[in-house]
Amino acid sequence: DAGVTQSPTHLIKTRGQQVTLRCSPKSGHDTVSWYQQALGQGPQFIFQYYEEEERQRGNFPDRFSGHQFPNYSSELNVNALLLGDSALYLCASSSTGFNEKLFFGSGTQLSVL
Amino acid sequence: SQQGEEDPQALSIQEGENATMNCSYKTSINNLQWYRQNSGRGLVHLILIRSNEREKHSGRLRVTLDTSKKSSSLLITASRAADTASYFCATDDWAQGGSEKLVFGKGTKLTVNP
Repeated sequence: DAGVTQSPTHLIKTRGQQVTLRCSPKSGHDTVSWYQQALGQGPQFIFQYYEEEERQRGNFPDRFSGHQFPNYSSELNVNALLLGDSALYLCASSSTGFNEKLFFGSGTQLSVL
Repeated sequence: SQQGEEDPQALSIQEGENATMNCSYKTSINNLQWYRQNSGRGLVHLILIRSNEREKHSGRLRVTLDTSKKSSSLLITASRAADTASYFCATDDWAQGGSEKLVFGKGTKLTVNP
């Protein structure tokens, strides 16, 4: 049973570029949440997707957008990258919108130069 | 903003000793969870305690919750080198009506020396 998978594992971009990160949830899970973790900090909630809709959004600008597909996989898009967007981006899956016992992927390390 | 604050920020102990880390939070919660993160990669869920519970055990883990003080503690008994990791508490944002997101603290970095 595959857990949460994220791709790519590492990514280097320059300021102003756009990036797309991908996530496949754990088998049987239909809800995907995205978190940003800066170095030395705890993860910060970006948004959650359920039934292909954004259910809740954290305090992130509109440059951060997402999508969920019918197979429950998800993408995180960040436009007009800033140096401050450099972070580990974590995807977490759960069942039916619950935030209990999230299963996390290994993350995508994004570096913006 | 981060609701939870773990204390201490870093903890170094010898194998076999117990490790205690604390978490404080600011608003009403439905539940509190503890997660472990190895080497800056994915987080692993350890234990969940609900607001109407005071103590919970899972293997070598013991979690307490004091809602009057808005605080929780995680005790790892008989620590092992493999317990070396960062530990985070996470709460739901019940006061904001948000059950979808978790609010994490900054974490406690635990080092267990062989």
